Amino acid sequence: GQNIDQPTEMTATEGAIVQINCTYQTSGFNGLFWYQQHAGEAPTFLSYNVLDGLEEKGRFSSFLSRSKGYSYLLLKELQMKDSASYLCAVMDTGRRALTFGSGTRLQVQP
Amino acid sequence: DADVTQTPRNRITKTGKRIMLECSQTKGHDRMYWYRQDPGLGLRLIYYSFDVKDINKGEISDGYSVSRQAQAKFSLSLESAIPNQTALYFCATSDLKGSSTDTQYFGPGTRLTVL
Repeated sequence: GQNIDQPTEMTATEGAIVQINCTYQTSGFNGLFWYQQHAGEAPTFLSYNVLDGLEEKGRFSSFLSRSKGYSYLLLKELQMKDSASYLCAVMDTGRRALTFGSGTRLQVQP
Repeated sequence: DADVTQTPRNRITKTGKRIMLECSQTKGHDRMYWYRQDPGLGLRLIYYSFDVKDINKGEISDGYSVSRQAQAKFSLSLESAIPNQTALYFCATSDLKGSSTDTQYFGPGTRLTVL
């Protein structure tokens, strides 16, 4: 089975940097995904990590350590529109289906 | 036009009714998924299909059934709806051909209320 943990809520200031952590336990690992979801809308894909290290995409970066079962999503130069939930999801080697964490709701304040 | 569409977008029904939620995609993906989302519980997988002849149960399949009518269509049915099936339902698609990472792309969701 799989277990994914991430903080429930975070608050940050416009223009700042925020790091959202995700820890996971899985019987077989085949990649970690981050999604952004605005309230009442569909999740949208942000990043994918399968090897250790940092993947950078504009203001968003994602880091993975497979040995520690740990990932983080880093958001730089925060904007008000970044207020959303951020979902961590792990792909297992068996089912090849995603298991999602409960999500971290980020509120960006002026 | 949206790549992944869901109908209906909103539905209110009564306990015991049969309900079908439909999902269509124009992305040409082989893989399709149904999730439900409840506050505080995140997205949970109900069923998934890797091609037309392949259907798999997810973690919460009880009370649900699915039909993969074609590569582009995947329907979710609630045979006899109950109030605790009130939730936001999402369809998703993915593709593992070539260099694809099997990233899932979501439809807009169906908000279902069972009274």
